[in-house]
Amino acid sequence: AQSVSQHNHHVILSEAASLELGCNYSYGGTVNLFWYVQYPGQHLQLLLKYFSGDPLVKGIKGFEAEFIKSKFSFNLRKPSVQWSDTAEYFCAVKPINQAGTALIFGKGTTLSVSS
Amino acid sequence: SQTIHQWPATLVQPVGSPLSLECTVEGTSNPNLYWYRQAAGRGLQLLFYSVGIGQISSEVPQNLSASRPQDRQFILSSKKLLLSDSGFYLCAWSVFLRGGTEAFFGQGTRLTVV
Repeated sequence: AQSVSQHNHHVILSEAASLELGCNYSYGGTVNLFWYVQYPGQHLQLLLKYFSGDPLVKGIKGFEAEFIKSKFSFNLRKPSVQWSDTAEYFCAVKPINQAGTALIFGKGTTLSVSS
Repeated sequence: SQTIHQWPATLVQPVGSPLSLECTVEGTSNPNLYWYRQAAGRGLQLLFYSVGIGQISSEVPQNLSASRPQDRQFILSSKKLLLSDSGFYLCAWSVFLRGGTEAFFGQGTRLTVV
């Protein structure tokens, strides 16, 4: 079965530090890739997505992610975090060309940014 | 525009009581529908998904069931709740558009079984 691994359970950073959250998936075929964010007390929101084309995708709020097919990875990055980035981040994978498959999520990474 | 409605927002139920959580989607047709449970440290666990009316796939064996009586309605049920059913339940829908599949989430239901 497909799975998604997020390497960091809890990341603590100071404001202006750089961020990289790891995400790996186990599926050999073509995939759509996503990062979702959940701010405290709010519902899940899409941060960015990769469908095809340029493997470096840019999302909202200065986030970007790079799809490296050979490594089955889709790491999330931000050069300089802000206190308002404190949230839980979820990587998700949707295999395509495979009927009836669902969006699979990683276990999430909690990011705490101190001011 | 598409919207997703999920209710109730919070629910407190005694052990052994039945459960029915409802989710409806507006503004789209034939969406894929999902039920997830979110637990601290475990991320979003896929419970059920449906690609069409009456078509339900279960991802984990459990005390819950799902039904899709209409194209844009997805119901999560239990005949007898257990304490371990407490959690945050999210409904989602997805549709293939612009070269890929994107999912959208409801606001969630916080279920506490006492």
